[in-house]
Amino acid sequence: QVQLVESGGGVVQPGRSLRLSCAASGFTFSNYGMYWVRQAPGKGLEWVTVISSDGSNKNYADSVKGRFTISRDNSKNTLYLQMNSLRADDTAVYYCAKGGCTSGNCYSNLWGQGTLVTVSS
Amino acid sequence: EIVMTQSPATLSASPGERATLSCRASQSVSTKLAWYQQKPGQAPRLLFYGESSTATGIPARFSGSGSGTEFTLTITSLQSEDFAVYYCQQYNDWPLTFGGGTKVEIK
Repeated sequence: QVQLVESGGGVVQPGRSLRLSCAASGFTFSNYGMYWVRQAPGKGLEWVTVISSDGSNKNYADSVKGRFTISRDNSKNTLYLQMNSLRADDTAVYYCAKGGCTSGNCYSNLWGQGTLVTVSS
Repeated sequence: EIVMTQSPATLSASPGERATLSCRASQSVSTKLAWYQQKPGQAPRLLFYGESSTATGIPARFSGSGSGTEFTLTITSLQSEDFAVYYCQQYNDWPLTFGGGTKVEIK
């Protein structure tokens, strides 16, 4: 079955860290760029970060640059998001998403169900 | 950063009616534009991308058009399952950016 399954969300205090995971199945994970996208409660969608298929290229939104790190393990078909120095405005549902292209910036044609991260004291 | 602006913010329509949603980019994105549908409590779903590509499993009543800075998503005959929020997204340049969304609600 072609799917993405996120895990690792929860409630965390401001300034603390959290790591999200996204397990991929049903497609050749190592062929595609992968994204993290977030959605604050009642708000729209925001791209957070992207990683190329081999992990060599990464980009971040200014809002998370220097605090978040994206990585992947192609041997485990898993995508990660390490989130440090969390702030209240990082509270959101975090989706992992698969790029529809084998290279370059792309749309996303497969999304996980999302995992909620709540930053609160 | 390329700013994407969607209009209207809310569209009220009846089942069977035609719906036209607009998306404008602050600078040219060529044809690197995608449309997504999101229902409450669900992840976004890709509808349409590029110059003329409909995503897998999307009904033929959904179509997209446009290039450069002006884009349109058309739903030819609204069905009950089409009432949702629709987002456009440019993938011409990083950071990838979404529009603010158009909510299609039942009139």
